[in-house]
Amino acid sequence: KAGVTQTPRYLIKTRGQQVTLSCSPISGHRSVSWYQQTPGQGLQFLFEYFSETQRNKGNFPGRFSGRQFSNSRSEMNVSTLELGDSALYLCASSWISGQVYSPLHFGNGTRLTVT
Amino acid sequence: DQQVKQNSPSLSVQEGRISILNCDYTNSMFDYFLWYKKYPAEGPTFLISISSIKDKNEDGRFTVFLNKSAKHLSLHIVPSQPGDSAVYFCAASGVSGGSNYKLTFGKGTLLTVNP
Repeated sequence: KAGVTQTPRYLIKTRGQQVTLSCSPISGHRSVSWYQQTPGQGLQFLFEYFSETQRNKGNFPGRFSGRQFSNSRSEMNVSTLELGDSALYLCASSWISGQVYSPLHFGNGTRLTVT
Repeated sequence: DQQVKQNSPSLSVQEGRISILNCDYTNSMFDYFLWYKKYPAEGPTFLISISSIKDKNEDGRFTVFLNKSAKHLSLHIVPSQPGDSAVYFCAASGVSGGSNYKLTFGKGTLLTVNP
């Protein structure tokens, strides 16, 4: 079974631009989450989608947004990029909703560099 | 406010010996805990988890111990192998987040296993 796929792997943008990152979850997984990893802050939760609905959101400004499509694929958008947005953006998928826990499975991430 | 803390940024162990990675949490609403391993340029890989109704979970060389009264968990790797060298993240989830798919991560511990 293919894992979580994120594209592109690397991206270089300049301040003020916007960027869209893409994530294809593991087949059958309906929940998709996004995390930002930086050296100073570690992994921080951005948001989680299930059945095209955002169920949970972390403490990030409104410049960070996302969506999920009917096939569970997800995109994340960052507008008006700042230097501090340089990070590894990780997408993770999970197979179940409700109160039963299941681990998140992560993709290899998109390394975004803002210059 | 860091709700999940890994106080040791790094740990060095001899091959064949035991590696013990520690994690403390402050949020008493957390009731599901996970350990992830991360190699450079890859996403985190799920290792092992434990529910708060248990105090120990074992999977091969990996054992996680949970001490709820101390709000402390640890990951034991026995015996340690050079391939275990990676960054290990502790993560927690609970009903307080409104969704069991919001994981709060520690900042990680770099484990180096020397041959």
